[in-house]
Amino acid sequence: DAGITQSPRYKITETGRQVTLMCHQTWSHSYMFWYRQDLGHGLRLIYYSAAADITDKGEVPDGYVVSRSKTENFPLTLESATRSQTSVYFCASSEWAVSSGNTIYFGEGSWLTVV
Amino acid sequence: GQNIDQPTEMTATEGAIVQINCTYQTSGFNGLFWYQQHAGEAPTFLSYNVLDGLEEKGRFSSFLSRSKGYSYLLLKELQMKDSASYLCAARGASEGDSNYQLIWGAGTKLIIKP
Repeated sequence: DAGITQSPRYKITETGRQVTLMCHQTWSHSYMFWYRQDLGHGLRLIYYSAAADITDKGEVPDGYVVSRSKTENFPLTLESATRSQTSVYFCASSEWAVSSGNTIYFGEGSWLTVV
Repeated sequence: GQNIDQPTEMTATEGAIVQINCTYQTSGFNGLFWYQQHAGEAPTFLSYNVLDGLEEKGRFSSFLSRSKGYSYLLLKELQMKDSASYLCAARGASEGDSNYQLIWGAGTKLIIKP
């Protein structure tokens, strides 16, 4: 049961470079999310997707781009990386069901450092 | 606005009981989650409450009072492996797709001492 996997797990990049973080899930969950986690902050939603070809902004979308051409993949691209984007990025997925307290499952995280 | 508050850090002794509190303010309410996150790892689901009362699951229990905007996570018979951060997250509600309306607390770092 592969679940939800992210790559790369660790990345160092330079300011101004484009970086893409990959996310793949094997559950066929409808919903996928990208969060960033910084010390002293809760998880903050960057973008989410309700289904293939449907994406929407979260709380902190500036500087990021997403796509979802297939249900199982949800890549996150930093178009021109900045030092403020140094963070841990978590991809997550869930199957929406209002009555059942839908659980969100997280990938292992991608540690990104922008120098 | 929407907000979640939980203590930054707590310390407890192995074998004891600890209660981690969480207060929330959301636009509407559609459930409260607790997640556990070990250092350097992903958050993992612990519990979900949508109705008032206590939900028990082994050594872990979670309580919700919607009228007070309050929840707690109770950990019994503490073990060293329980040293982790515990994240509280409340789901607001909206007419459309409310799945993204999950407001996260910054987490409570629980340190277990022998």
